[in-house]
Amino acid sequence: DTAVSQTPKYLVTQMGNDKSIKCEQNLGHDTMYWYKQDSKKFLKIMFSYNNKELIINETVPNRFSPKSPDKAHLNLHINSLELGDSAVYFCASSQGQGRDPNYGYTFGSGTRLTVV
Amino acid sequence: QKEVEQNSGPLSVPEGAIASLNCTYSDRVSQSFFWYRQYSGKSPELIMSIYSNGDKEDGRFTAQLNKASQYVSLLIRDSQPSDSATYLCAVNRHTGGFKTIFGAGTRLFVKA
Repeated sequence: DTAVSQTPKYLVTQMGNDKSIKCEQNLGHDTMYWYKQDSKKFLKIMFSYNNKELIINETVPNRFSPKSPDKAHLNLHINSLELGDSAVYFCASSQGQGRDPNYGYTFGSGTRLTVV
Repeated sequence: QKEVEQNSGPLSVPEGAIASLNCTYSDRVSQSFFWYRQYSGKSPELIMSIYSNGDKEDGRFTAQLNKASQYVSLLIRDSQPSDSATYLCAVNRHTGGFKTIFGAGTRLFVKA
């Protein structure tokens, strides 16, 4: 009955490879996000989808491509992985783009990506 | 100036004391504010939200908001070792497009 689930939990891969991270939420939320948390614990938004529509597309390398097949799923594909991509990637969901002050985000458990 | 600023800490308090965590934000028209707790190796979890000036209490947690000073804080009363975590302040920014901005977090240690 996990609310926001993402897979895999750990991902170790070599530079230059292509990898994907998958995320699914069963909360009925209409907005999903990808955040990157670096070694200093700073959470930075990468992308946001509302009802399958891309609404936030931060300045990230175009090697990162999100895809939302439906409002319950948001995947992240990364091409040509680089050492600097090593971080924890969190998927999150919210209702109404997080505008309701009484509700925040529900985060997935994270994917620790290590590029060697 | 960062959009959301927090003292990175670590903040160390003895068990049973009040822990005070502070956050300032730059967007004057921000309307709602959140505190998340993140244990080491885990994902952030929402513990409090506030959108009106003043205090909001929930159990041992009290969130305080002062929009004139662009300041939001979290007080943890009767701190327990299990409260040791990183606390992230998040602000719903409206200027330049709606977005939730997270601070870098304050590490809290509660000593038994």
